[in-house]
This record gives sequence, structure tokens and C-alpha cells, in this order.
Amino acid sequence: NAGVMQNPRHLVRRRGQEARLRCSPMKGHSHVYWYRQLPEEGLKFMVYLQKENIIDESGMPKERFSAEFPKEGPSILRIQQVVRGDSAAYFCASSVIPGPKNTDTQYFGPGTRLTVL
Amino acid sequence: QKEVEQNSGPLSVPEGAIASLNCTYSDRGSQSFFWYRQYSGKSPELIMSIYSNGDKEDGRFTAQLNKASQYVSLLIRDSQPSDSATYLCAAPPMDSSYKLIFGSGTRLLVRP
Repeated sequence: NAGVMQNPRHLVRRRGQEARLRCSPMKGHSHVYWYRQLPEEGLKFMVYLQKENIIDESGMPKERFSAEFPKEGPSILRIQQVVRGDSAAYFCASSVIPGPKNTDTQYFGPGTRLTVL
Repeated sequence: QKEVEQNSGPLSVPEGAIASLNCTYSDRGSQSFFWYRQYSGKSPELIMSIYSNGDKEDGRFTAQLNKASQYVSLLIRDSQPSDSATYLCAAPPMDSSYKLIFGSGTRLLVRP
């Protein structure tokens, strides 16, 4: 049973370019969460999505960042006009039911490491 | 602002010793707590979860929760060099139970 898959694993962009990060949740999981980890820091929640719905995007920067989880295909985190401060590891997690509970938890993918030159 | 606080370390212990990792949280409404292990350059891996006051043991790991003191800890017995990693404490805030608030992590070094 494949785990959470993310691609690409490493992404290099120049300032002003667009970055697209993809996440395929575990089989049977319909809840997806994106977290960002800046160097030497903990993970910060960005957005929570269900199929075709953004449930909570309170952790997303107001500009340049967007996320989607279409009916078919992976969840996409899109960063437009990247800046050096966007350099970070972006982790996707998925779960069977909403949120971490005593019957389930969030399973993390391997992450995408974005470097902005 | 709801926070989860950890000492960044590094915490250095000799092989075979008990490593004690601590975490405090500010949201009294948090009901569940999670310890993740993260090796350098890798993704977080769930080690333990705890929901009730007291101790919960799983192999060499023991999680301890004291809700009155807003304190959660992780003990690692018989520490091994392979336990060297960053340990992240996390909790969902009461008003948004589906997202995790992470501490900045404690780096553990187990000396052979």
C-alpha cells in the first residue's frame, strides 16, 4: 500500500517563476493537509482540503499561494512569482478522517524541497 | 496565539541512557498530543500519540501528559545512535481539530 506521494522531491526555481508541488494522498484518504518547514524551524500548517473543497486556508500567505484538490488527480500547491523566502520544505499529509484523532492520524509524504535562486 | 514550545537542544545522551524530551503548550483546550521523529532531510514520522493524563508506553518510548500543567514529554529508554534525530511535539488547537501546531523540535544526539 503506497504511502503519501509527493513530486517533485526537489525543485529549483528562479525568482519570479512559478512552482507547482503535487501530492497524491494514501489510497482511501480524502483529506489532505499542506505544511511548510522553513530551515531550522518546525512545520507550519498552510491549508486543509477535501476533494474539490478548501476547508481551511488560514495558514496560507495572502498572495501568490493557492491550493487545490480536484475530483481527479493529485492535490496541487501553487506558488506564483516565487521569492527567496519561499525556499523551504513543503510537506503534504493525508488522513482517512478529518484531523488527528485517536483512531487515525496524519501521514506525511517525503516532502518537496523548494530552492529559489 | 496558540503555541507549542520545545527546547531546541541539542540534547546529548550516551548510548543506553534515558533521553527525556519536553514540550509545553498554551492552548488549554488541546485534547491530543503527538510526538514525531524527523531525521535530517526526511519527513516527520509518528512515534507516539497520547490523549489522557498519565503515561503511555510503546516499546522503548513512553509519553507522559499532564494537562493541568500543560506539559507533555517523551522518554526514550536504552537510547541508540539510530534515535539521533529531531523530535517534534504537536497538538491540534481546540478550535481547529484537524490541523497540527508543531513545536520547533528538539535535536537529540545519542553518543556511541
